[in-house]
Formats: sequence, C-alpha cells, structure tokens
Amino acid sequence: GDSVTQMEGPVTLSEEAFLTINCTYTATGYPSLFWYVQYPGEGLQLLLKATKADDKGSNKGFEATYRKETTSFHLEKGSVQVSDSAVYFCALSPANQAGTALIFGKGTTLSVSS
Amino acid sequence: GAVVSQHPSRVICKSGTSVKIECRSLDFQATTMFWYRQFPKQSLMLMATSNEGSKATYEQGVEKDKFLINHASLTLSTLTVTSAHPEDSSFYICRSTGPMNTEAFFGQGTRLTVV
Repeated sequence: GDSVTQMEGPVTLSEEAFLTINCTYTATGYPSLFWYVQYPGEGLQLLLKATKADDKGSNKGFEATYRKETTSFHLEKGSVQVSDSAVYFCALSPANQAGTALIFGKGTTLSVSS
Repeated sequence: GAVVSQHPSRVICKSGTSVKIECRSLDFQATTMFWYRQFPKQSLMLMATSNEGSKATYEQGVEKDKFLINHASLTLSTLTVTSAHPEDSSFYICRSTGPMNTEAFFGQGTRLTVV
C-alpha cells in the first residue's frame, strides 16, 4: 500500500542553519504531497503542499518540490529560527482521494537553539 | 478559513472512567471527521472515519466498543474513550475535510492521561 518514509530525528540545529528533512513515498499514480507542522502541545497545521509532479510548495521560508522521478518531497529552509522548533510530518493523499485519506510519516523533531 | 475546535485540550482521568472528546467545525459543515491517535514519537494512527448520520468505520485493530464515535450533526463529532486504562493515554486528534472537500483541518488535539 501507499506509505511515507521520512528521516528520523531529532534534528538539532543552530539558528540560521540550513535545514533539510528528507521524505520519500510509495504510491500508485500521482498522489498529493504535504508537509504538516506540530508545535508543542498543539494539533497539526498544514505547512505546504504540492499536487503534481515538479510543483514546489512554499510557506514561511520552507520549500519542498514534488519529485516524481525520485518519489521524494524533501523539506528545506535556508535559515531556521528558534520558533521553527516543532515536529514535522510528511504526508500523502492517494491519487483520486484528495482531501480524504491522509497517510503520514513518523514525524521528525526539529530543535533549533540560539 | 475553516476551523475545527477540539475540546478538551488536556484531560486526566481515573482508570475505569469514560472521557468524551468533542470536535466542532466552527464555520463549515463537516460531513466527514477522521479521528487519529498519536503515540509519543510516533506518527498519527487513523482510528476511525465518521460520516454524519451514519456509523463510524473503524480501522483494523481499533475496538469500536471502547472508542465510541458519534457524528450526529454536521458540526459536531465526539469520541468517547470508555472504561479508560493507562494504556489509552495518548494524544487524540480529529481532522475534517474542508467545505471544498479538498483540504484537511485538524483540531488542536487532546492529551489524555489515565491514572
């Protein structure tokens, strides 16, 4: 079945460092891909998404490009801040099931220190 | 934008008691609500899917008699953990598709601790 694999954390960075969190997926067809962020004690918030190959999702300085050839959707940010400390989840919605089924990776904890 | 309000955010209860968690869609009609459970350092595990006015569909391995889901109206879905045990302690999150049925809106989550 469809699945999402993301790098295990925790990821610990200093402020202004470059961030990459790897995410790869297994799915048939062209799923939609998402990154969600979960701040301590809160629910999940959509960070960015991409719905077709080569699309780039971006928000709050974060970017991820939908790479069909490598089945990847890596999350990047050029300069992280302490306020970016959170758990990041990569997720996919299977083709033809937009907005319904969501399959999550295990999450990657990011800790940014000043 | 569409908002899902989940309550309570945190609850501590004694073993054997029941706890009800509510999720309300504040400015749209939530035809479908998904309930997830999140273990520490784990991903979200889908427990069940509820559609307004019909019985919830539970994922394999989830006890429907223990985790009662009610979706009696288009703006309210509830999850009741019955006869709670310490192993039920977890973070529970609801999610609804938005009014266009193409997005996902999460509640704030409920941290349940059973002592």
